[in-house]
Amino acid sequence: GAGVSQTPSNKVTEKGKYVELRCDPISGHTALYWYRQSLGQGPEFLIYFQGTGAADDSGLPNDRFFAVRPEGSVSTLKIQRTERGDSAVYLCASSGGGNQPQHFGDGTRLSIL
Amino acid sequence: EDQVTQSPEALRLQEGESSSLNCSYTVSGLRGLFWYRQDPGKGPEFLFTLYSAGEEKEKERLKATLTKKESFLHITAPKPEDSATYLCAVTHFGNEKLTFGTGTRLTIIP
Repeated sequence: GAGVSQTPSNKVTEKGKYVELRCDPISGHTALYWYRQSLGQGPEFLIYFQGTGAADDSGLPNDRFFAVRPEGSVSTLKIQRTERGDSAVYLCASSGGGNQPQHFGDGTRLSIL
Repeated sequence: EDQVTQSPEALRLQEGESSSLNCSYTVSGLRGLFWYRQDPGKGPEFLFTLYSAGEEKEKERLKATLTKKESFLHITAPKPEDSATYLCAVTHFGNEKLTFGTGTRLTIIP
């Protein structure tokens, strides 16, 4: 497809489990971003990749959160030892870099029981 | 730290009733101000980028304007399909991340 693709669309898991969320950016986009959105709030920045490297990970809440983009295209957000407070919609966006607009996927709705 | 405040939180309009949404921002070195539309269960959809005070952008029934302290999203003769949450976000020089407001939930009543 032409847009940003995120899988799974929904993920329900138990507290303490490990989860991986995947993002396929728009073809050719060099910049990739992860955000987290809670109900009634705007998206909050987590991490930004330029190519394969994390250019800014200042939004990751703690060391349970980690993200990779090994080949400069697909990215995976990994959460270890999940907590109920991690429940949110995780959004991925991509852009051509610079001040090009970021285009978002429809997110993964993560629910921690 | 960049800050974005949107008002009102929610707005209900009759079809055809024009109005404006406000986005106030505090940022050191504005690089861009962005408007997005978000439908329930979907990701934000890009609408406009504004770069400098005095700039205006239009798309169908929407017009975005920018001053040094705030941006307005004017909606003219809205239709029910314009119902959505409208999000405002900023970036500053040296930083790629978007800082979002909490959005305005717009409902257009037929």
